[in-house]
Amino acid sequence: QVQLVQSGAEVKKPGASVKVSCKASGYTFTGYYMHWVRQAPGQGLEWMGRINPNSGGTNYAQKFQGRVTMTRDTSISTAYMELSRLRSDDTAVYYCARVSAVTTLYYYYYMDVWGKGTTVTVSS
Amino acid sequence: DIQMTQSPSSLSASVGDRVTITCRASQSISSYLNWYQQKPGKAPKLLIYAASSLQSGVPSRFSGSGSGTDFTLTISSLQPEDFATYYCQQSYSTPVTFGQGTRLEIK
Repeated sequence: QVQLVQSGAEVKKPGASVKVSCKASGYTFTGYYMHWVRQAPGQGLEWMGRINPNSGGTNYAQKFQGRVTMTRDTSISTAYMELSRLRSDDTAVYYCARVSAVTTLYYYYYMDVWGKGTTVTVSS
Repeated sequence: DIQMTQSPSSLSASVGDRVTITCRASQSISSYLNWYQQKPGKAPKLLIYAASSLQSGVPSRFSGSGSGTDFTLTISSLQPEDFATYYCQQSYSTPVTFGQGTRLEIK
């Protein structure tokens, strides 16, 4: 079945970096964009960016520009999100989400498969 | 960035009630609007895409409508498993943005 399996919880100190992985199975990894979304404790959903697993091309939210890097390894169908210079307010659950689309007259895309999330705690 | 505003922020309702959640975009987004359900400790789940298309496997009591700037998610008859937080999300332009969420609680 289609699934995204994320790496385990991380505890990091301020200023450090974290790299979260998202392994895809059950579908053609290079055929679907992957987005990353995070959720701070008790807060809503925040989009971080996306990667085209086929080309490796990325788009990042302005808020994370310069601190986030999204990569992929097509040989193992895995996407990665690395966030550097961590601060306490980066404490959150980080999700990867596959994006599917329908193309009728227009191109509508949506996040139809989500990983279970990776908890990243930033604390001194 | 396109701002998405949901109302209400929270809502109390009973099993069997008809519930409507609204989402307003800060500019026209045509039908580039998706709805997700999230339960505590779980990842979001896609309910509706392209404003009104029901995702496969989602019960037909869920429906979506609207276009332009104003959208609604309707649950025709609330079931116990529907008590959760609901988010709208626009895919008209990047950055993708979400509404702040609507928490649906049991009355």
